Amino acid sequence: DAGVTQSPTHLIKTRGQQVTLRCSPKSGHDTVSWYQQALGQGPQFIFQYYEEEERQRGNFPDRFSGHQFPNYSSELNVNALLLGDSALYLCASRRRGTSGNTEAFFGQGTRLTVV
Amino acid sequence: GEDVEQSLFLSVREGDSSVINCTYTDSSSTYLYWYKQEPGAGLQLLTYIFSNMDMKQDQRLTVLLNKKDKHLSLRIADTQTGDSAIYFCAESPPSGGSYIPTFGRGTSLIVHP
Repeated sequence: DAGVTQSPTHLIKTRGQQVTLRCSPKSGHDTVSWYQQALGQGPQFIFQYYEEEERQRGNFPDRFSGHQFPNYSSELNVNALLLGDSALYLCASRRRGTSGNTEAFFGQGTRLTVV
Repeated sequence: GEDVEQSLFLSVREGDSSVINCTYTDSSSTYLYWYKQEPGAGLQLLTYIFSNMDMKQDQRLTVLLNKKDKHLSLRIADTQTGDSAIYFCAESPPSGGSYIPTFGRGTSLIVHP
């Protein structure tokens, strides 16, 4: 079991561009959450997907959008990139119905740099 | 203020105990977690405690919860150089089963040989 895998691992984009990050959940997991971790900060919740729908959303502008596919994998899209979007983007997966976040697994993250 | 607060740095000598402290504000929190993040890596759940517990021990790790003061601590016994990492405290309320955790800024633990 490969666990949660994210791609790419690193990415450099220019201001104003658009970016797509990808996440494959751990086998058996159906719920995917995305987090933004700026340098020196804790992860901030962006949104959560289950059954191909956005179920909860954190305090992020609608430049941040996502998608979940029938195989439970997910994409995070960010439009009109700003310098402040530079961060480590983490994906976490869990199986709906498990208690708490105790069985959520995090991927290694995608390091996005906006120049 | 922030929902979850932690001190930013802790430096200890190898073999000593480390204590990382955290305060949180949401009294409805049902789960409180400690995560570890090594350089260039994602988050690893170290341990967690239910809000109706006072203490949980797991090998070298001891979690203490003071619900009245909304204070959580993580004690690492016999700290090793491999324990050097950033430790995040997090809490999650019972929000309809989605359990979205709120993280602190992390405490950077430096272990000296």
